[in-house]
Amino acid sequence: QQQVRQSPQSLTVWEGETAILNCSYEDSTFDYFPWYHQFPGESPALLIAIRPVSNKKEDGRFTIFFNKREKKFSLHIADSQPGDSATYFCAAKDSNTNKVVFGTGTRLQVLP
Amino acid sequence: GPKVLQIPSHQIIDMGQMVTLNCDPVSNHLYFYWYKQILGQQMEFLVNFYNGKVMEKSKLFKDQFSVERPDGSYFTLKIQPTALEDSAVYFCASSLDSQAPLFGEGTRLSVL
Repeated sequence: QQQVRQSPQSLTVWEGETAILNCSYEDSTFDYFPWYHQFPGESPALLIAIRPVSNKKEDGRFTIFFNKREKKFSLHIADSQPGDSATYFCAAKDSNTNKVVFGTGTRLQVLP
Repeated sequence: GPKVLQIPSHQIIDMGQMVTLNCDPVSNHLYFYWYKQILGQQMEFLVNFYNGKVMEKSKLFKDQFSVERPDGSYFTLKIQPTALEDSAVYFCASSLDSQAPLFGEGTRLSVL
């Protein structure tokens, strides 16, 4: 069964710090890696995504680092704000079936 | 921006009854998905659908589940009969090829 591993399960940082969320996978058929965040009672919303041709993607305070050889990728949230507190999911899309598999999520809390 | 609409937002039914969850995808999207989420936990892939056919389904997509999109109308998830363990929030999503799925607001299903 295809899966994406995500860690840590929960993370607490102070306002202004950089939060680092990690994911890994095994299937070589994955070719697209989005990150979503989800606030309580809401649906997942796309934050940023990367393809394996790149090893880094930036969008404002959010940066994905991608290591194709080790099949690992991470989301760095710079200058974390209390409003960033949410559950973050990494995901991976299968190039053959377009199936999108989600990681187990990281509950991020940013303290003021 | 484009939105995926889900109807209803909340459905309460008795165990053993049939339920149909409706999804109105973004008009030019080609790929459609259903996910199940319990209590803000992991987003669990159920099924994806393209060109009138199921592309892949997970082990969670039991025999009691079915999906269809007749003549470009709603993309539906039908559960017949329902079981207590089907209580969850069901998210519909849609995408173009090579893009991250866009999620609807979800339907909260309560099976009594």
